[in-house]
Amino acid sequence: DAGVTQSPTHLIKTRGQQVTLRCSPKSGHDTVSWYQQALGQGPQFIFQYYEEEERQRGNFPDRFSGHQFPNYSSELNVNALLLGDSALYLCASSLRGYSNQPQHFGDGTRLSIL
Amino acid sequence: DQQVKQNSPSLSVQEGRISILNCDYTNSMFDYFLWYKKYPAEGPTFLISISSIKDKNEDGRFTVFLNKSAKHLSLHIVPSQPGDSAVYFCAASAGGNQGGKLIFGQGTELSVKP
Repeated sequence: DAGVTQSPTHLIKTRGQQVTLRCSPKSGHDTVSWYQQALGQGPQFIFQYYEEEERQRGNFPDRFSGHQFPNYSSELNVNALLLGDSALYLCASSLRGYSNQPQHFGDGTRLSIL
Repeated sequence: DQQVKQNSPSLSVQEGRISILNCDYTNSMFDYFLWYKKYPAEGPTFLISISSIKDKNEDGRFTVFLNKSAKHLSLHIVPSQPGDSAVYFCAASAGGNQGGKLIFGQGTELSVKP
């Protein structure tokens, strides 16, 4: 039973560039959420996708955007990268995002901005 | 505005003894609470959850207690094992159209010494 998979595992970019991170949900899950985890902090909610639409959004600027595909996989795009975007980006999947069910996380993408 | 707080950044416990990790929250709309464990270079792993209609939930060595009047939850690990050494995050979500958006605490690093 494949869990949540994320790619790439590490990425180095420079300020002003754009980045795309990818996530495949756990088998049987249809909802994908993205989180940003800064060093020494808990994960912060970016947004959630269900039925190929953004259903909820956290307090992140429009530079952060996403997409969900018909096979439930998802992408996170960040434009005009800033030094402060350096963080671990986590993808989590669940079944039907509105219900109280645990989200299962991938191992994340470590993004470093130079 | 930190809606979920873990006030102890670290905890050290002897193997075989009880570990108690604490978490406080401020939002009375939260109705679902979770604990995750995180090892370095891995994503958070779901441990146990509790709905606001309950005050206790057990799963093997792990028990979560919820005190709604105090807006406090705790995770008890009995007996503690060296493999339990990790960072523990509590998380909460509200129902309705906020369902699925997890708000995390800052984490508590547990060290279980042999």
